[in-house]
Amino acid sequence: GESVGLHLPTLSVQEGDNSIINCAYSNSASDYFIWYKQESGKGPQFIIDIRSNMDKRQGQRVTVLLNKTVKHLSLQIAATQPGDSAVYFCAENWAGGTSYGKLTFGQGTILTVHP
Amino acid sequence: GAVVSQHPSRVICKSGTSVKIECRSLDFQATTMFWYRQFPKQSLMLMATSNEGSKATYEQGVEKDKFLINHASLTLSTLTVTSAHPEDSSFYICSAHTSGSYNEQFFGPGTRLTVL
Repeated sequence: GESVGLHLPTLSVQEGDNSIINCAYSNSASDYFIWYKQESGKGPQFIIDIRSNMDKRQGQRVTVLLNKTVKHLSLQIAATQPGDSAVYFCAENWAGGTSYGKLTFGQGTILTVHP
Repeated sequence: GAVVSQHPSRVICKSGTSVKIECRSLDFQATTMFWYRQFPKQSLMLMATSNEGSKATYEQGVEKDKFLINHASLTLSTLTVTSAHPEDSSFYICSAHTSGSYNEQFFGPGTRLTVL
């Protein structure tokens, strides 16, 4: 099947900086996109999502941008903190006629925040 | 709300044995549950999708006779790794979907399987 990929496998930032994690997707039929945070030995933790009829969505310290023209998704984290250090995955959802869809995960970006 | 648990969190077994992993939705009814596998430093790969009361749908390349999935109730799905081998060692993660949540999946904490 089609896959979601990431431009940067690792990202190191200083505490307090803003972080931007990028993701490219290839399935133009995907209609729902999610960013997850995964800490070592744990399951994915939902961060923020966006539907394909939107191009920006903001949460607490996080913003997701969706550019359907170039099939690009990004996650912006403001004032990055050491607790934000984790692996971040984007995922695309394609309903494919079902009520639940299927998630395809990107390769992941390791974010390291230095105090 | 929307809490998913897995049991056990870690399991070590000998090669050739079978291991059962449980996935439970604690405060909601999961019409659909998903099983993922994650190897070290890699992404999550969907193994199969199970709907309550029906047979699971497996992704290409996943052996259905090796990875038995049972979704007997709206709150419980089990994954049994039969005749486990060292190459089956991985992090197994389940997720659950409930109707009306617009495709959102709630993930469990994962189960670390080590086959000796």
